[in-house]
Amino acid sequence: AQKITQTQPGMFVQEKEAVTLDCTYDTSDQSYGLFWYKQPSSGEMIFLIYQGSYDEQNATEGRYSLNFQKARKSANLVISASQLGDSAMYFCAMREGNFNKFYFGSGTKLNVKP
Amino acid sequence: DGGITQSPKYLFRKEGQNVTLSCEQNLNHDAMYWYRQDPGQGLRLIYYSQIVNDFQKGDIAEGYSVSREKKESFPLTVTSAQKNPTAFYLCASSIMGQGVETQYFGPGTRLLVL
Repeated sequence: AQKITQTQPGMFVQEKEAVTLDCTYDTSDQSYGLFWYKQPSSGEMIFLIYQGSYDEQNATEGRYSLNFQKARKSANLVISASQLGDSAMYFCAMREGNFNKFYFGSGTKLNVKP
Repeated sequence: DGGITQSPKYLFRKEGQNVTLSCEQNLNHDAMYWYRQDPGQGLRLIYYSQIVNDFQKGDIAEGYSVSREKKESFPLTVTSAQKNPTAFYLCASSIMGQGVETQYFGPGTRLLVL
C-alpha cells in the first residue's frame, strides 16, 4: 500500500486566492511526522512545513498551513493568498517513528494564474 | 555556510559506463539519502545510510551502488546494470531520530545517457 497519496496531479488557482493540496497517509505507528516540500522548476526541494502526530494544533508557517485530520489520516496543505511564485510541484512526505526513512507522495503541480 | 553540495550539475553517461555522483554535506548529519526523480514524478529512494560504513537499500537499488566511508560524503555510482539511468538525482541528509527535523536536499544532478 502507498504510504503517501496525493490524488491531484495538477491544480490551478487564481492569484491571491487560497488553494488546498490534498495528502493522505498510511501508517500504524503512533509517532510520525508529516512534511510538505516545494519543488520549483529549478529542481531544488524547499521545506515548507512540518506536523507531528502528537501536535494538537495545526502547523502554520506564514502563508502555509497544514490541515491535520488524524482520524482521517490526512495532512492537506493550504496556501493562502497565492502568488505567481507559488507555481511549482508540491510533495507531501512522512517519517515514521524513530526510523530515518522518508516516504514521498507523487506530487501535485500547482499553477497560479495571474 | 552549511549545506549539501552535489556535483556535477549535469552528467553524461555512455552505454556500458559506470558514473559516480558526488554528495557532500557539512551539516554534521548522520543520515544521508539518494533519490531518483523521473520527469513529472515523485521521489523514489535508492539508498540511505544512517551511520558511517553502513547503508540500506531503498525501493529501487538495482543498478546502483553507494559507499559511506566518511560522515560527510555519500557518493552514488550508477552502474552499467542500470538500463534506464536518465533522471534527476537528489541527495539529502537529516539528523537521526524523530521529530521536526526535516531532510535537507542538495541541488541535484541531471544524468543523461548519450
